[in-house]
Amino acid sequence: AQTVTQSQPEMSVQEAETVTLSCTYDTSENNYYLFWYKQPPSRQMILVIRQEAYKQQNATENRFSVNFQKAAKSFSLKISDSQLGDTAMYFCALGGSRLTFGEGTQLTVNP
Amino acid sequence: DTGVSQNPRHKITKRGQNVTFRCDPISEHNRLYWYRQTLGQGPEFLTYFQNEAQLEKSRLLSDRFSAERPKGSFSTLEIQRTEQGDSAMYLCASSPLAGRQETQYFGPGTRLLVL
Repeated sequence: AQTVTQSQPEMSVQEAETVTLSCTYDTSENNYYLFWYKQPPSRQMILVIRQEAYKQQNATENRFSVNFQKAAKSFSLKISDSQLGDTAMYFCALGGSRLTFGEGTQLTVNP
Repeated sequence: DTGVSQNPRHKITKRGQNVTFRCDPISEHNRLYWYRQTLGQGPEFLTYFQNEAQLEKSRLLSDRFSAERPKGSFSTLEIQRTEQGDSAMYLCASSPLAGRQETQYFGPGTRLLVL
């Protein structure tokens, strides 16, 4: 069975600062994918960033980057230059055909 | 690209009634997924289709739940004899070609409240 754990239910950050969200996972697969999704108050789930497990290079997307530690089964998300629009629930997900999601981290960006 | 659409967006029903939700995936995406999300939790996988074939079902999908994708385009999720525990957000997602993992794109969801 696959599991995903997000140990930070809530986090807050000041606008323009940097914040890191944690995620650990467990899987018996060798080839898998990891995702961070964002779910704003409107509830539409939006992909933030994805990482293929076979790639050693950490994925980056503009202000978003990940720290992927395969041996430790850790997949954290760093948001740089936080903006008010980053306020949302963030979910870490592990998958193949079905995605297994963590419990989520509610991020609040304060002005 | 209009994105994944779901209808209705909200549904209130009485316990024991049947409800049906519809999902229209992104055009030409041949995989379609259903998830259920309860308040404060991450989504849980229910089932997925590749074209019209239902390839996997979660044990969460009891015999009161049935999903179809008859022509490999839109999909419906029906819940028979609804229970209060069925109250949740039902999310649909789609992804392009099979094989290596492709990103799943989510719709806005259908929020179900069973009274």
